[in-house]
Amino acid sequence: GENVEQHPSTLSVQEGDSAVIKCTYSDSASNYFPWYKQELGKGPQLIIDIRSNVGEKKDQRIAVTLNKTAKHFSLHITETQPEDSAVYFCAASSFTGGGNKLTFGTGTQLKVEL
Amino acid sequence: NAGVTQTPKFQVLKTGQSMTLQCAQDMNHEYMSWYRQDPGMGLRLIHYSVGAGITDQGEVPNGYNVSRSTTEDFPLRLLSAAPSQTSVYFCASSYTGRNYGYTFGSGTRLTVV
Repeated sequence: GENVEQHPSTLSVQEGDSAVIKCTYSDSASNYFPWYKQELGKGPQLIIDIRSNVGEKKDQRIAVTLNKTAKHFSLHITETQPEDSAVYFCAASSFTGGGNKLTFGTGTQLKVEL
Repeated sequence: NAGVTQTPKFQVLKTGQSMTLQCAQDMNHEYMSWYRQDPGMGLRLIHYSVGAGITDQGEVPNGYNVSRSTTEDFPLRLLSAAPSQTSVYFCASSYTGRNYGYTFGSGTRLTVV
């Protein structure tokens, strides 16, 4: 099955700096890569996703890049703010007879310091 | 629009007890799934369902049962709770087909003593 590795496990940046989180996946058939943000005591929330026919996608201060050849994808957050502090998860999709079966990375705890 | 609703939010069980974690969604999503979240291990898939009457096992199904009698509900049953099942449990749903993101519930924190 699919295996997703995520690095780093913790990341501390100064407010206004950029943050980058990287993930690799193993299944070349995976074609959908969402990113989730989880705030303390809440469920994960989808923040951005990318499909395998696209190399980069941007939404305001966040962007995701995908390198299918190398099987890795990254989340970029620019101009970080304290409210960006959270745990971020990457995931890869293994389509299975009607549903997206997502395999998640182990998460990155992002701390934005004032 | 409530989204995905999980109950209870917190639960303490004694070893050997059984219980059902409830999950309901009002978005007419065909696909529903249960994950457990443990420190340093991310989210691991327990069971999933692609529609009413259809369920399948995920990565860590042992000790858990599910059923899907309606599109809206997908309960998770712990048959005989063990301390290793202490975790935070999340239910998620989505439309079927490729490339749809999940909507997660707010989770159930379960402690087995």
